[in-house]
Amino acid sequence: KAGVTQTPRYLIKTRGQQVTLSCSPISGHRSVSWYQQTPGQGLQFLFEYFSETQRNKGNFPGRFSGRQFSNSRSEMNVSTLELGDSALYLCASSLRDRADTQYFGPGTRLTVL
Amino acid sequence: TQLLEQSPQFLSIQEGENLTVYCNSSSVFSSLQWYRQEPGEGPVLLVTVVTGGEVKKLKRLTFQFGDARKDSSLHITAAQTGDTGLYLCAGEKGAQKLVFGQGTRLTINP
Repeated sequence: KAGVTQTPRYLIKTRGQQVTLSCSPISGHRSVSWYQQTPGQGLQFLFEYFSETQRNKGNFPGRFSGRQFSNSRSEMNVSTLELGDSALYLCASSLRDRADTQYFGPGTRLTVL
Repeated sequence: TQLLEQSPQFLSIQEGENLTVYCNSSSVFSSLQWYRQEPGEGPVLLVTVVTGGEVKKLKRLTFQFGDARKDSSLHITAAQTGDTGLYLCAGEKGAQKLVFGQGTRLTINP
């Protein structure tokens, strides 16, 4: 069974731009969660989607948004990029919710210049 | 302020030595998970502990959940170079909210 895939793996943007990251969960998994990982703050929860609905949201500004499609694939969008948005963005999928085992993708490394 | 504090943040030891990594909080968690993350990859779940005082063993790795469910430890016996990585603890606080510690970067030298 294929694991969680994330595209692109690396991305370089400049301040003020926007970016869209994509995540394909493991087949049959319906819950997708997004995390931001930085050296200073560690791994922080962004939001979780289940059946195309945002079920939980972390403490991030409204510039961070996401959505989930009917095939459970998910995208996250960051608008008006700031230097501090440079991070590894991880996607994790689970069968139903985050109480189930989460399987992480390899992440998208975003660099904002 | 981190809800989960891991210590040490960095640890470098020789192959064959033993080590313990700690994950502490002032909050009670319904469960606690340990992950290992290697460069270029996402975290991989090692174990979930649920009951206060619970001890789980995974080959040379021993995980313990504190009696009050506020802390946990990971002990590695006879460390090997393949144990090198970032070890993360994560706690579940109900309402399906998972919070992570900052991690312990472990380096095992040959």
